[in-house]
This record gives sequence, C-alpha cells and structure tokens, in this order.
Amino acid sequence: NAGVTQTPKFQVLKTGQSMTLQCAQDMNHEYMSWYRQDPGMGLRLIHYSVGAGITDQGEVPNGYNVSRSTTEDFPLRLLSAAPSQTSVYFCASSRLGVAGGLETQYFGPGTRLLVL
Amino acid sequence: KQEVTQIPAALSVPEGENLVLNCSFTDSAIYNLQWFRQDPGKGLTSLLLIQSSQREQTSGRLNASLDKSSGRSTLYIAASQPGDSATYLCAPDSNYQLIWGAGTKLIIKP
Repeated sequence: NAGVTQTPKFQVLKTGQSMTLQCAQDMNHEYMSWYRQDPGMGLRLIHYSVGAGITDQGEVPNGYNVSRSTTEDFPLRLLSAAPSQTSVYFCASSRLGVAGGLETQYFGPGTRLLVL
Repeated sequence: KQEVTQIPAALSVPEGENLVLNCSFTDSAIYNLQWFRQDPGKGLTSLLLIQSSQREQTSGRLNASLDKSSGRSTLYIAASQPGDSATYLCAPDSNYQLIWGAGTKLIIKP
C-alpha cells in the first residue's frame, strides 16, 4: 500500500498561471479532502468529496476547483495562481463512518507551493 | 461556525514528565474528534480518534478524553520522551468537515 500520494512535492508558479496538484490513494477510501496549511495556523479545508462524482466546498474554496471522477484520484486545480495561495497543501483520505462522520484520516506528504 | 482553540501554543518539558494538552471547540454537534501529530516539514499522523459516544481512548502512553457537552478534549502523554517532540493538533469532525486548532508545539528536553 502506497497510502496517500501527492505530486509534485514542490512547485513555483508565477501569478496568473494555472496548475493541478495531484492526489491519489490506494485504500479504497470514500472520503478525500484538500487542506492548506499556513505558518502559525491550523489546517483549513478547501474542498472535500464523499465519493466519486460528489464534491463540496470547505472553508476556503475560492480560487480552487476539484473533481472526483474515480475513487482513487482527487486533483486540486488552481485556476489563476495568486501570491496569497502560497502555502503547503495536504491531501487526506478516510473511510466514512458507519454511524456518520469520518474514520481515521490518512495524510499525504504535502505539496509546497510558492506563487511569485 | 466551529472554532477550535488549543492551549498551550507551545510547551517545553524535561524528559519523563507527564503532560496534558488541551483542545476546546465551540460547536458540540460533532461525530468524533481526532488527535494528530505533525513533525517539522512532514505530513500529519493520526494518534487517536474518539467517537462522540466515547469519553476516553487510549493508545500506548497516550490517552485522549472527550467531553462533548462542554466542548473540551485533552491529550495526556505519560512518561514523555524526546521522540514525542512534535506539533499536536486536534480536529473535531462536524458533518464531514474537520476543523483544526493551530496546534501545540511540544519540545521534550533530554
């Protein structure tokens, strides 16, 4: 099991450029999510998905798009990069709880993004 | 809107001490609460998950408690070791969204 994988590990963009951060999991988890982590702050949820074909917005969705065409993959697209999007991005996955909620979250190693 | 606070923001103690990290949240309508550790420059590792119907969960030297009605959780670390040095984060689960505290940065001095 590779767990949750993210690519690239590090990326530099110029303002206005677009790019896609990749996330994949091989645990057959229904739930996948994207977070950003800024210095001195906790993680903030960008988008999440409870299954293929279903996505929803989190706390900070503006400037980001997602899609979930397969159970395994959950790419995050930056439409027009801005310096405020400089951050570390984490992808996570889990099973859905039988009685509701989420089971233990598994995180990828993160992608460091610098927007100039 | 769920808000999560972790106290203290940083803690430095000598090896061997028992310690308590605190997490408070404003909305008690949660399914569960998870505790994680994050090592510098790394991803997050799950430590414990407490269901809303539980009051405690234990794993090795770690014990987490949950008082959902008062919006509080604590993480107890027994006999601390230098390898426990990391940032510890809590995250209550509200309707498929984990809302995070800023974390407690823990340093265990040999």
